[in-house]
Amino acid sequence: SYVLTQPPSVSVAPGQTAGITCGGNNIGGKSVHWYQQRPGQAPVLVIYYNSDRPSGIPERFSGSSSGNTATLTISRVEAGDEADYYCQVWDSSRDHVVFGGGTKLTVL
Amino acid sequence: QLQLQQSGPGLLKPSQTLSLTCAISGDSISNNIAVWNWIRQSPSRGLEWLGRTYYRSKWSHDYALSVKSRIIISPDTSKNQFSLQLYSVTPEDTALYFCVRGDDVDTATLDYWGQGTLVTVSS
Repeated sequence: SYVLTQPPSVSVAPGQTAGITCGGNNIGGKSVHWYQQRPGQAPVLVIYYNSDRPSGIPERFSGSSSGNTATLTISRVEAGDEADYYCQVWDSSRDHVVFGGGTKLTVL
Repeated sequence: QLQLQQSGPGLLKPSQTLSLTCAISGDSISNNIAVWNWIRQSPSRGLEWLGRTYYRSKWSHDYALSVKSRIIISPDTSKNQFSLQLYSVTPEDTALYFCVRGDDVDTATLDYWGQGTLVTVSS
């Protein structure tokens, strides 16, 4: 089955840039989506189709994907960005949604 | 504004059937774009997709292999809702369950999530 690998945690100081990676075999050939989940809340879509932002998501959130790695980048990090972030793709070989294990972003 | 309202019991005994319903407002379950999913989350398994249903001239379903033998996701067009039935539950099915709308059947973008229902399986 298709596996997505994320670092368990990333820490960043306020105002700096955070990068969260998502590794998968030829992930650059798939559409990658990213979700933010704050404690006690449902996940929220923050990036879709690798780099598009839904309405209402700040421009500080951006995404890219190439080769075996997709990356969610959060610029000018704020305390309110502290959350768990998940990447997700559709595995067409098995007709399955696949999630990464999630990355906890800590704002120092 | 689309909203998904979940309902169903939160406590089950082993071997019972988990039944949850997701009522849709602000969209039609029968539109030819949306995909209707059930996803669960637990500390041990993270976010786990269970399955989906969608209408493209006819109703179709996809299910996760891990639960395929004991899951049914059913649309109810008369009530504009869809349901999850998971049979023969065990404590490993204890999780927070979400109903989720997707807007693309080929890439599975998940754009609206229900509030979540905590289901505990315990004797």
